[in-house]
Amino acid sequence: SQTIHQWPATLVQPVGSPLSLECTVEGTSNPNLYWYRQAAGRGLQLLFYSVGIGQISSEVPQNLSASRPQDRQFILSSKKLLLSDSGFYLCAWSVHRAWPQHFGDGTRLSIL
Amino acid sequence: DQQVKQNSPSLSVQEGRISILNCDYTNSMFDYFLWYKKYPAEGPTFLISISSIKDKNEDGRFTVFLNKSAKHLSLHIVPSQPGDSAVYFCAASADNYGQNFVFGPGTRLSVLP
Repeated sequence: SQTIHQWPATLVQPVGSPLSLECTVEGTSNPNLYWYRQAAGRGLQLLFYSVGIGQISSEVPQNLSASRPQDRQFILSSKKLLLSDSGFYLCAWSVHRAWPQHFGDGTRLSIL
Repeated sequence: DQQVKQNSPSLSVQEGRISILNCDYTNSMFDYFLWYKKYPAEGPTFLISISSIKDKNEDGRFTVFLNKSAKHLSLHIVPSQPGDSAVYFCAASADNYGQNFVFGPGTRLSVLP
C-alpha cells in the first residue's frame, strides 16, 4: 500500500534561518506531488506541485522553493525564513488523478 | 476573500442520523469539487468528488450534491457513524489540470453515540 512520510512534525526556527522540509512517498511510482500551506482559520493553499523529477510548478510568489531530486521525494526549502512563513505545511500525492489523494501528517512551522 | 466557504465550523449529529455538511463558493468558473476528511494528527484524505456536469455523486454512505445556480454543494453521510467524526474540507478547482484546488476552512463533525 502507498504511504507518505513527512518530517519533521514540528519545527521552530528563527527569522532569517534556512528551511528544509522533506516528503517521501512509498508504494507507488511517478506520483504527482504537492506542497500545501494552511494558515490559521483558512483552507489549504497550494504552494508547489510536481508531475515528475525536476518538474516544479509554483502557484504563488513567495519566499519558498521546492525541488524533486528523486521520483518519490519532494523538498520544500527557504534560504531565509520570514515571520509570515509560519504555518502548517502539508505534502500530498496523487496517481492517475489531477487532485491530491492523500496528505502527509503535516509540519507545524513556527518562526520566532 | 475566501472563494470557498464552509460557514459551519462544527456540527454534531446523533449516530444513525444524517449528517449534512455545506459548502458555498463564489467563483463561477469552478467546475470540479472535492471533499476531504481529516482525522486529528493525520493529513486529509480524499473522500468524494463531483464535476459540474453532474448534480449528484454517490459512494456508499456518502453523497455529494451540487447546485451550480446557487454555487452550493453539500455532503450527506447516511447513516452517520462515530468513526465519521473528523474535519471535512470542501475544495474547488477551475483549471483543466485540477492541481490548484481552493480549499474551504473545514467543518468539524462530531457523531455522538
